[in-house]
Amino acid sequence: DAMVIQNPRYQVTQFGKPVTLSCSQTLNHNVMYWYQQKSSQAPKLLFHYYDKDFNNEADTPDNFQSRRPNTSFCFLDIRSPGLGDAAMYLCATSRRDGNSYNEQFFGPGTRLTVL
Amino acid sequence: GDSVTQMEGPVTLSEEAFLTINCTYTATGYPSLFWYVQYPGEGLQLLLKATKADDKGSNKGFEATYRKETTSFHLEKGSVQVSDSAVYFCALRSQGAQKLVFGQGTRLTINP
Repeated sequence: DAMVIQNPRYQVTQFGKPVTLSCSQTLNHNVMYWYQQKSSQAPKLLFHYYDKDFNNEADTPDNFQSRRPNTSFCFLDIRSPGLGDAAMYLCATSRRDGNSYNEQFFGPGTRLTVL
Repeated sequence: GDSVTQMEGPVTLSEEAFLTINCTYTATGYPSLFWYVQYPGEGLQLLLKATKADDKGSNKGFEATYRKETTSFHLEKGSVQVSDSAVYFCALRSQGAQKLVFGQGTRLTINP
């Protein structure tokens, strides 16, 4: 089945220690998104890639970076995690045709704990 | 800016009860509207959607109708099951935009 895969499902890191979360997709979608979802809150878009074009949300902290080496993979790098960065991180993909965006498909998420 | 307001939870119902979760939105033009469901420890799954006024989205017994006049997209189900226990998010995407704007979510618990 075509899908969005996130690894690992659970990640523990230490305060200030860089961490990378990964996302892969078999849907061949040209748009990939990263969302942050804190406990009992709505998902919040951090950034997205349209092909290789990176689009950062205005309020995304500089501590968060992303890489998309190819169509299938996208990484979220947190350079110096703080306690406030503990959250579920959701990857999503969609297909953009011209100016039309189709529905987003979400991965299962990676729950990040910062000690 | 665009926003979505959902009925506050948590909502607790008995099995086979009727469910309504209210959702209203603020947006310019004609956004697309969505309901996503999130089961414990999982990511979001698209439950249903509607892309224009008066459209009705439906899936797994859930329904929601896009009401432009009341800027609403309320989620309904005639007879809920224990397996429907989850958090439900209403969301919109403005025309030509890629960004989903989510409501705060409503936690639903169904008791046997």
